[in-house]
This record gives sequence, C-alpha cells and structure tokens, in this order.
Amino acid sequence: ETGVTQSPTHLIKTRGQQVTLRCSSQSGHNTVSWYQQALGQGPQFIFQYYREEENGRGNFPPRFSGLQFPNYSSELNVNALELDDSALYLCASSLASGVADTQYFGPGTRLTVL
Amino acid sequence: DQQVKQNSPSLSVQEGRISILNCDYTNSMFDYFLWYKKYPAEGPTFLISISSIKDKNEDGRFTVFLNKSAKHLSLHIVPSQPGDSAVYFCAVMNRDDKIIFGKGTRLHILP
Repeated sequence: ETGVTQSPTHLIKTRGQQVTLRCSSQSGHNTVSWYQQALGQGPQFIFQYYREEENGRGNFPPRFSGLQFPNYSSELNVNALELDDSALYLCASSLASGVADTQYFGPGTRLTVL
Repeated sequence: DQQVKQNSPSLSVQEGRISILNCDYTNSMFDYFLWYKKYPAEGPTFLISISSIKDKNEDGRFTVFLNKSAKHLSLHIVPSQPGDSAVYFCAVMNRDDKIIFGKGTRLHILP
C-alpha cells in the first residue's frame, strides 16, 4: 500500500455537471500529480502541484482545474463534464518534482459520464 | 501522436520462462525511462528505471535494456511468476520532468 488514498472510488455524473475528486498524499509529500487513464490507454498527465502552486500542465482544457492544500490533500475539479471525460483518474504524490521513480499512485477514482 | 509505444496489448508466458515486454519511443531527447506495474483496482507502482547513460539495469528478476540508436527499451522478467500477471506500462520522463506513459501490455503468466 502506497499511503495515497483517493475518494470516491466510483462516481457517475451526467454531461454538463461538475465533479470534484479528492486525493490524500503521503505525509511529507509536497508534490502531487493528476493523471487521466481512459479505457485501453496509459495514464495521461493532467497537471502537477508543488507546494500549492501549479507546476506544469498537460494538454487538458481549463475546465480541468486543481487545488493543493497544506495538509497534503488535493482536489481535481472538472467543469462542464463531457462524455469523453469518463476515465480512471489517478493522483500520485512525491517528495519533489522530477523524481518519477518515487511517485506513489493512489488506486484511482473511476468517473462515468452519462 | 504517441511518443511512447507498446505495440503488444497482451502477452502470455509460461511460469518459469522469460517474459520480454517491449517499448519504442519517438524522441531521442528523452533521457530517463521507467517501467510501472499495475494490478486491477490499484494504482501503478514503480518497478525499475534506466538512465540514457546506461544500456542495462538489473534488479533481481527484472532487467531493463535500452537501445538508444533504435529508440527501444525492453523489460525482461526471469523467471516469470504467477504474481507477475499485471499490466506493465513503459514510461519516459520528458524535459519538463513529466511522465509520458505508453498504453500498457497485459502480461498473463500461465501455470
């Protein structure tokens, strides 16, 4: 077990709604990254937060936004949900940015958009 | 366009034999490569990595080989065990220190 937890485990929303996914990082980890894994694909980088500031972003529209809190928790918010947003959303925490082999992934939240 | 390609969606190997998982990448500027393993209902876990200054890295039953001229890397697992059945992702770290994953290869270890 990595010590990274995510909630909820599953979620069903309808098109146009908004969703908030939550991640609790390992204690002391000040970097969190979020990934989207669509069916049959590898995880795709959404963005990373370091000490509560965005520290890099992948090819995702602005309706994907995030927050990181001082207590090692973070959120991924998605507005105006689209059918293609259906995926497994993974968060990964690490002590520092740029250290890929010590990123610890949570089990993910499976989002279904109807 | 995919920057990291795993062309075999699945692979079946007899227990005790060698499993070889392959990965190709497109950008010769990538300089750090990783393999992750993923079980159902769990997040990916880091398995082994290799820097572009090396062509081989070994950790127990797992060895990663890097062929920079061919932009190809492979993961060898020997001997394969039932607990190795999982999805394996090849990944690279780009210049912005972000990870780019392949689509994954599902490995089945047969009894």
